[in-house]
Amino acid sequence: EIVLTQSPGTLSLSPGERATLSCRASQSISSSYLAWYQQKPGQAPRLLIYATSNRATGIPDRFSGGGSGTDFTLTISRLEPEDFAVYYCQHYGTSPGYTFGQGTKLEIK
Amino acid sequence: QVQLQESGPGLVKPSETLSLTCTVSGSSISSGHYWAWVRQPPGKGLEWIGSIYHTGRTYYNPSLKSRVTMSVDTSKNQFSLKLGSVTAADTAFYYCARGFYWGQGTLVTVSA
Repeated sequence: EIVLTQSPGTLSLSPGERATLSCRASQSISSSYLAWYQQKPGQAPRLLIYATSNRATGIPDRFSGGGSGTDFTLTISRLEPEDFAVYYCQHYGTSPGYTFGQGTKLEIK
Repeated sequence: QVQLQESGPGLVKPSETLSLTCTVSGSSISSGHYWAWVRQPPGKGLEWIGSIYHTGRTYYNPSLKSRVTMSVDTSKNQFSLKLGSVTAADTAFYYCARGFYWGQGTLVTVSA
Protein backbone atom coordinates (compact mmCIF):
# COMPACT_ATOMS: atom_id res chain seq x y z
CA GLU A 1 0.00 0.00 0.00
CA ILE A 2 1.34 3.40 -1.01
CA VAL A 3 1.34 6.09 1.68
CA LEU A 4 1.54 9.78 0.76
CA THR A 5 3.02 12.15 3.31
CA GLN A 6 2.56 15.88 2.86
CA SER A 7 4.76 18.52 4.41
CA PRO A 8 4.60 20.86 6.09
CA GLY A 9 1.32 20.32 7.90
CA THR A 10 0.79 24.08 8.05
CA LEU A 11 2.55 26.74 6.01
CA SER A 12 2.31 30.39 7.05
CA LEU A 13 3.13 32.87 4.32
CA SER A 14 2.18 36.34 3.13
CA PRO A 15 0.50 37.32 -0.14
CA GLY A 16 3.08 37.77 -2.86
CA GLU A 17 5.42 35.12 -1.42
CA ARG A 18 6.26 31.78 -3.02
CA ALA A 19 4.80 28.58 -1.58
CA THR A 20 6.32 25.13 -2.00
CA LEU A 21 4.30 22.14 -0.82
CA SER A 22 5.71 18.62 -0.68
CA CYS A 23 4.13 15.22 -1.23
CA ARG A 24 6.33 12.18 -0.59
CA ALA A 25 5.32 8.64 -1.54
CA SER A 26 6.38 5.57 0.43
CA GLN A 27 7.44 3.93 -2.84
CA SER A 28 8.08 5.08 -6.37
CA ILE A 29 4.92 5.99 -8.29
CA SER A 30 4.27 6.91 -11.89
CA SER A 31 4.17 10.64 -12.48
CA SER A 32 1.14 10.02 -14.70
CA TYR A 33 -1.04 9.42 -11.65
CA LEU A 34 -0.30 12.18 -9.15
CA ALA A 35 -2.80 15.01 -8.67
CA TRP A 36 -3.12 18.09 -6.47
CA TYR A 37 -6.33 19.63 -5.14
CA GLN A 38 -7.22 22.84 -3.38
CA GLN A 39 -10.04 22.87 -0.84
CA LYS A 40 -11.66 25.85 0.81
CA PRO A 41 -14.11 25.63 3.73
CA GLY A 42 -17.50 24.34 2.69
CA GLN A 43 -16.36 23.48 -0.83
CA ALA A 44 -15.47 20.31 -2.68
CA PRO A 45 -11.82 19.71 -3.57
CA ARG A 46 -10.87 21.58 -6.74
CA LEU A 47 -8.48 19.91 -9.16
CA LEU A 48 -5.35 22.00 -9.73
CA ILE A 49 -2.79 19.65 -11.25
CA TYR A 50 -3.00 16.18 -12.80
CA ALA A 51 -0.27 13.86 -14.02
CA THR A 52 2.23 15.70 -11.79
CA SER A 53 2.58 18.83 -13.89
CA ASN A 54 -0.51 19.45 -16.01
CA ARG A 55 -2.69 22.35 -14.94
CA ALA A 56 -6.41 21.68 -14.98
CA THR A 57 -8.70 23.87 -17.04
CA GLY A 58 -8.91 27.41 -15.71
CA ILE A 59 -6.06 27.08 -13.21
CA PRO A 60 -3.77 30.16 -13.17
CA ASP A 61 -0.19 29.67 -14.28
CA ARG A 62 1.13 30.69 -10.86
CA PHE A 63 0.35 27.08 -9.90
CA SER A 64 2.87 24.51 -11.06
CA GLY A 65 3.63 20.90 -10.21
CA GLY A 66 6.72 18.79 -10.54
CA GLY A 67 8.65 15.82 -9.30
CA SER A 68 9.15 12.15 -9.97
CA GLY A 69 9.64 8.83 -8.23
CA THR A 70 8.76 9.46 -4.60
CA ASP A 71 9.03 13.25 -4.33
CA PHE A 72 6.49 15.65 -5.76
CA THR A 73 5.91 19.36 -5.26
CA LEU A 74 3.21 21.95 -5.80
CA THR A 75 4.53 25.48 -6.19
CA ILE A 76 2.52 28.68 -6.09
CA SER A 77 4.80 31.35 -7.48
CA ARG A 78 3.16 34.45 -5.99
CA LEU A 79 0.43 33.92 -3.45
CA GLU A 80 -2.88 35.65 -3.97
CA PRO A 81 -5.36 36.10 -1.09
CA GLU A 82 -7.65 33.45 -2.60
CA ASP A 83 -4.88 30.81 -2.51
CA PHE A 84 -5.02 30.34 1.24
CA ALA A 85 -6.67 26.96 1.66
CA VAL A 86 -5.93 23.29 2.31
CA TYR A 87 -4.05 21.36 -0.39
CA TYR A 88 -4.14 17.60 -0.93
CA CYS A 89 -2.11 15.30 -3.14
CA GLN A 90 -3.65 12.12 -4.56
CA HIS A 91 -2.29 9.00 -6.20
CA TYR A 92 -4.90 7.40 -8.40
CA GLY A 93 -2.75 4.91 -10.26
CA THR A 94 -3.50 2.12 -12.61
CA SER A 95 -4.59 0.09 -9.60
CA PRO A 96 -8.15 0.59 -8.36
CA GLY A 97 -7.37 2.22 -5.03
CA TYR A 98 -6.74 5.88 -4.32
CA THR A 99 -4.31 7.28 -1.77
CA PHE A 100 -4.40 10.77 -0.35
CA GLY A 101 -1.96 12.87 1.60
CA GLN A 102 -3.15 14.25 4.92
CA GLY A 103 -3.20 17.80 3.57
CA THR A 104 -1.20 21.01 3.95
CA LYS A 105 -2.96 24.06 5.33
CA LEU A 106 -1.70 27.24 3.72
CA GLU A 107 -2.50 30.13 6.04
CA ILE A 108 -1.93 33.86 5.95
CA LYS A 109 1.01 35.00 8.05
CA GLN B 1 -15.39 16.27 -20.45
CA VAL B 2 -16.21 13.61 -17.88
CA GLN B 3 -18.88 14.68 -15.42
CA LEU B 4 -20.13 12.83 -12.35
CA GLN B 5 -23.14 13.59 -10.18
CA GLU B 6 -24.00 12.00 -6.85
CA SER B 7 -27.58 11.49 -5.70
CA GLY B 8 -29.27 9.95 -2.70
CA PRO B 9 -30.73 10.68 0.73
CA GLY B 10 -28.98 13.31 2.79
CA LEU B 11 -30.10 11.82 6.10
CA VAL B 12 -29.77 8.21 7.23
CA LYS B 13 -30.67 6.73 10.60
CA PRO B 14 -28.06 4.91 12.69
CA SER B 15 -27.80 1.17 11.94
CA GLU B 16 -29.47 1.63 8.55
CA THR B 17 -27.92 1.49 5.07
CA LEU B 18 -26.58 4.52 3.22
CA SER B 19 -27.31 4.34 -0.51
CA LEU B 20 -25.88 6.65 -3.16
CA THR B 21 -25.84 6.64 -6.95
CA CYS B 22 -23.39 8.31 -9.30
CA THR B 23 -24.55 9.27 -12.78
CA VAL B 24 -21.76 9.62 -15.34
CA SER B 25 -21.83 11.75 -18.47
CA GLY B 26 -19.16 12.43 -21.06
CA SER B 27 -17.73 8.93 -20.66
CA SER B 28 -19.05 5.42 -20.83
CA ILE B 29 -18.95 3.38 -17.66
CA SER B 30 -17.76 0.56 -19.90
CA SER B 31 -14.73 2.55 -21.08
CA GLY B 32 -12.27 0.49 -19.10
CA HIS B 33 -11.68 2.70 -16.08
CA TYR B 34 -12.17 2.17 -12.37
CA TRP B 35 -15.03 4.14 -10.84
CA ALA B 36 -14.66 5.10 -7.21
CA TRP B 37 -16.26 6.48 -4.08
CA VAL B 38 -14.38 8.81 -1.74
CA ARG B 39 -15.60 10.39 1.46
CA GLN B 40 -14.58 13.25 3.74
CA PRO B 41 -15.96 13.75 7.24
CA PRO B 42 -16.49 17.45 7.97
CA GLY B 43 -13.18 19.06 8.85
CA LYS B 44 -11.16 15.91 8.15
CA GLY B 45 -9.18 14.36 5.31
CA LEU B 46 -10.10 12.30 2.27
CA GLU B 47 -10.72 8.54 2.42
CA TRP B 48 -11.06 6.12 -0.49
CA ILE B 49 -14.07 3.85 0.06
CA GLY B 50 -13.83 1.54 -2.93
CA SER B 51 -13.72 1.16 -6.69
CA ILE B 52 -15.62 -0.83 -9.28
CA TYR B 53 -14.82 -1.88 -12.83
CA HIS B 54 -17.48 -1.98 -15.53
CA THR B 55 -17.44 -5.77 -15.31
CA GLY B 56 -18.65 -5.45 -11.74
CA ARG B 57 -15.36 -6.41 -10.11
CA THR B 58 -15.00 -4.50 -6.87
CA TYR B 59 -12.15 -3.35 -4.65
CA TYR B 60 -12.86 -2.03 -1.17
CA ASN B 61 -10.92 -0.20 1.50
CA PRO B 62 -10.12 -2.94 4.05
CA SER B 63 -11.31 -0.69 6.88
CA LEU B 64 -14.83 -0.56 5.37
CA LYS B 65 -14.95 -3.81 3.44
CA SER B 66 -17.36 -5.60 5.75
CA ARG B 67 -20.01 -2.90 5.28
CA VAL B 68 -19.57 -1.78 1.65
CA THR B 69 -21.25 -2.96 -1.51
CA MET B 70 -20.74 -1.31 -4.89
CA SER B 71 -22.58 -2.08 -8.11
CA VAL B 72 -22.67 -0.81 -11.68
CA ASP B 73 -25.54 -0.32 -14.14
CA THR B 74 -24.04 0.05 -17.59
CA SER B 75 -27.46 0.59 -19.21
CA LYS B 76 -27.94 3.76 -17.15
CA ASN B 77 -24.24 4.72 -17.06
CA GLN B 78 -24.40 4.72 -13.27
CA PHE B 79 -22.64 3.10 -10.36
CA SER B 80 -23.79 2.85 -6.78
CA LEU B 81 -22.63 2.62 -3.19
CA LYS B 82 -24.25 0.93 -0.22
CA LEU B 83 -22.75 1.28 3.25
CA GLY B 84 -24.46 -0.76 5.94
CA SER B 85 -24.80 -0.43 9.71
CA VAL B 86 -23.97 3.26 9.62
CA THR B 87 -23.07 5.29 12.69
CA ALA B 88 -22.42 8.98 13.30
CA ALA B 89 -18.81 8.34 12.24
CA ASP B 90 -20.08 7.78 8.70
CA THR B 91 -21.38 11.35 8.48
CA ALA B 92 -19.39 12.82 5.61
CA PHE B 93 -19.32 14.36 2.18
CA TYR B 94 -19.41 11.51 -0.32
CA TYR B 95 -17.83 11.94 -3.75
CA CYS B 96 -17.86 9.71 -6.79
CA ALA B 97 -14.79 9.86 -8.97
CA ARG B 98 -12.81 8.54 -11.88
CA GLY B 99 -9.17 9.35 -11.33
CA PHE B 100 -9.01 13.10 -11.06
CA TYR B 101 -12.58 13.66 -12.31
CA TRP B 102 -14.86 14.12 -9.32
CA GLY B 103 -18.49 14.90 -8.65
CA GLN B 104 -19.45 17.90 -6.53
CA GLY B 105 -20.18 15.66 -3.58
CA THR B 106 -23.18 15.12 -1.35
CA LEU B 107 -23.40 15.45 2.42
CA VAL B 108 -24.83 12.43 4.18
CA THR B 109 -25.68 12.87 7.84
CA VAL B 110 -26.27 9.89 10.10
CA SER B 111 -28.72 10.87 12.82
CA ALA B 112 -31.88 9.63 14.42
